[in-house]
Amino acid sequence: SFDLTQTPSVSVSPGQTATIACSGDDMENKLTSWFQQRTGQSPVLVIHQNDKRPSGISERFSGSISGNTATLTINEAQTMDEADYYCQTWDNYLGVFGGGTKLTVL
Amino acid sequence: QVELRESGPGLVRPSETLSLTCSVSSVSMYYYYYIWVRQPPGKGLEWIGYMFSSGTSSYNPSLKSRASISLDMSKNQVSLRLDSVTPADTAVYYCVRDAGAMVPPSFDYWGQGIQVTVPS
Repeated sequence: SFDLTQTPSVSVSPGQTATIACSGDDMENKLTSWFQQRTGQSPVLVIHQNDKRPSGISERFSGSISGNTATLTINEAQTMDEADYYCQTWDNYLGVFGGGTKLTVL
Repeated sequence: QVELRESGPGLVRPSETLSLTCSVSSVSMYYYYYIWVRQPPGKGLEWIGYMFSSGTSSYNPSLKSRASISLDMSKNQVSLRLDSVTPADTAVYYCVRDAGAMVPPSFDYWGQGIQVTVPS
């Protein structure tokens, strides 16, 4: 089965750049989405198709792909960005989520 | 704006069938993907499967053919059925829809989720 691997936790200070990685085979030939899930809330799509931001999502969020790794970058991190972040892709019409990364901003 | 709302029993006995309904508030049900995702307590997201409005579907093989998604266009509803449940199926279940016009679909709109417990 296809797996996506994420670092369990990332910690940054307010105003710094947070980088969250998601690795898997052949990621350059797949389309990756990223989701933010604050405690007790439903996930929110923040990046789709590797690097596209849905309407209403802050410009501080960006996505990229290089080799076997997709990356979510959050510029000028704020305390409101504290959340779990999940990457997601498709492999032969099967949806796959990464295990999630807990972002702490303090 | 699209809204999705899940409903169904919060408790299902082991070996029985879990049945959830998602009510979709949108002008049309056509040309969209309807997706179910679940999240066990304290754990990450798990994709269950999808149904496109044309009837095309795909399911997570880890569920061993226990899951089935159906659409009722006349009622603007999406249903999930999960057979032979065990305590491992205890989770928050989310109904999701894409924004349309993209393949593979993105997970654009999420319901608030419904907690389902299977006691041991």
